[in-house]
Amino acid sequence: AQKITQTQPGMFVQEKEAVTLDCTYDTSDQSYGLFWYKQPSSGEMIFLIYQGSYDEQNATEGRYSLNFQKARKSANLVISASQLGDSAMYFCAMRDDSGGSNYKLTFGKGTLLTVNP
Amino acid sequence: GAVVSQHPSWVICKSGTSVKIECRSLDFQATTMFWYRQFPKQSLMLMATSNEGSKATYEQGVEKDKFLINHASLTLSTLTVTSAHPEDSSFYICSARHKERERVYEQYFGPGTRLTVT
Repeated sequence: AQKITQTQPGMFVQEKEAVTLDCTYDTSDQSYGLFWYKQPSSGEMIFLIYQGSYDEQNATEGRYSLNFQKARKSANLVISASQLGDSAMYFCAMRDDSGGSNYKLTFGKGTLLTVNP
Repeated sequence: GAVVSQHPSWVICKSGTSVKIECRSLDFQATTMFWYRQFPKQSLMLMATSNEGSKATYEQGVEKDKFLINHASLTLSTLTVTSAHPEDSSFYICSARHKERERVYEQYFGPGTRLTVT
């Protein structure tokens, strides 16, 4: 079974500073994918970034980067130059890419990020 | 491209009635659709996985007879909450996998449906 752990229920950051949101995972699968989603108060799930288990380089998407440490089973999200619009709930998720599970996602409990002006 | 819609966006119903929520992939065909439930300030919990033309696969603890899922076509899946009770009040979100894309991150989420049972 897969498990995602996000140990930070809430985080605060000053506008324009960088922030790291923690995510650790547990799986016995060799092939898996790691995702970060942003959920603003409107409720929509916004895809931010993806890292495959076989990707050797850390994924980056604009101001978002994923610090992937496979041996530690961690996939932290780094947001650089925080903006007020970044205030939202952030979810880390894992996908079983072995093919037997319909590639379903398992989500962590989320971290509520608040960006202060 | 790759837009998923849900209808209705919010619904209020009386206890004991049934309510149907639609999930549509607007510009792509979806091999698989997923239904999630989210309580306030909590994470998304997968309820079931549906493939077009076959029965849905429900997660452990989800009542099949209460949450009826129909994936009648490659662009439409419906979730019917039968004999709704106040404890069924929640935010329901669907997602869809793109039929033509094999990239691993191709799962698209709908905007969600907020159900309130009075």
